[in-house]
Amino acid sequence: DTAVSQTPKYLVTQMGNDKSIKCEQNLGHDTMYWYKQDSKKFLKIMFSYNNKELIINETVPNRFSPKSPDKAHLNLHINSLELGDSAVYFCASSESGSYNEKLFFGSGTQLSVL
Amino acid sequence: AQSVTQPDIHITVSEGASLELRCNYSYGATPYLFWYVQSPGQGLQLLLKYFSGDTLVQGIKGFEAEFKRSQSSFNLRKPSVHWSDAAEYFCAVGGDGQNFVFGPGTRLSVLP
Repeated sequence: DTAVSQTPKYLVTQMGNDKSIKCEQNLGHDTMYWYKQDSKKFLKIMFSYNNKELIINETVPNRFSPKSPDKAHLNLHINSLELGDSAVYFCASSESGSYNEKLFFGSGTQLSVL
Repeated sequence: AQSVTQPDIHITVSEGASLELRCNYSYGATPYLFWYVQSPGQGLQLLLKYFSGDTLVQGIKGFEAEFKRSQSSFNLRKPSVHWSDAAEYFCAVGGDGQNFVFGPGTRLSVLP
């Protein structure tokens, strides 16, 4: 079983559209994250949730809205997509959100906005 | 706020050669330090981590890293590289109350 799974793996869409990326973890972890990796491989945190509660909300346009229906799921909805949103988005989880914990990553969703 | 630099964007080594990837960090207190590896098309996987104690830490896949407080460094080493080690390597730093911060990554190519 995949520990952290995200879908879809690839997402190609037009500017202005709305899209969602789903993430699920079966590790029983309390904390989940969304990271954005740009074309230069730079990895930056976007959001983190601990047991469905928003903990970290970095400087991200409010077109990005995370939703956590339960602690095993953290979905990312993006409104009015822009060219600059093209990137690889990674979901991750950790046991409790402490900064000495191992992060478990999904395999990423490559978003291409045309 | 903490920061991480990885001075080498791309390194190429021959299979069987030794490897050292550099990482320098900036953090006011004792940091939590990590090395992650990203194979093509995959998410990141933890290689090793350092919190305290012995400054030489062993990880998976034959990797090790040494924490040097005086140099603010946490360099990753492997005595003999295999072709399957070709990947992107990320150093990261975390700390109490602070987010993880990842370095820009070093791409490793391995020549046969």
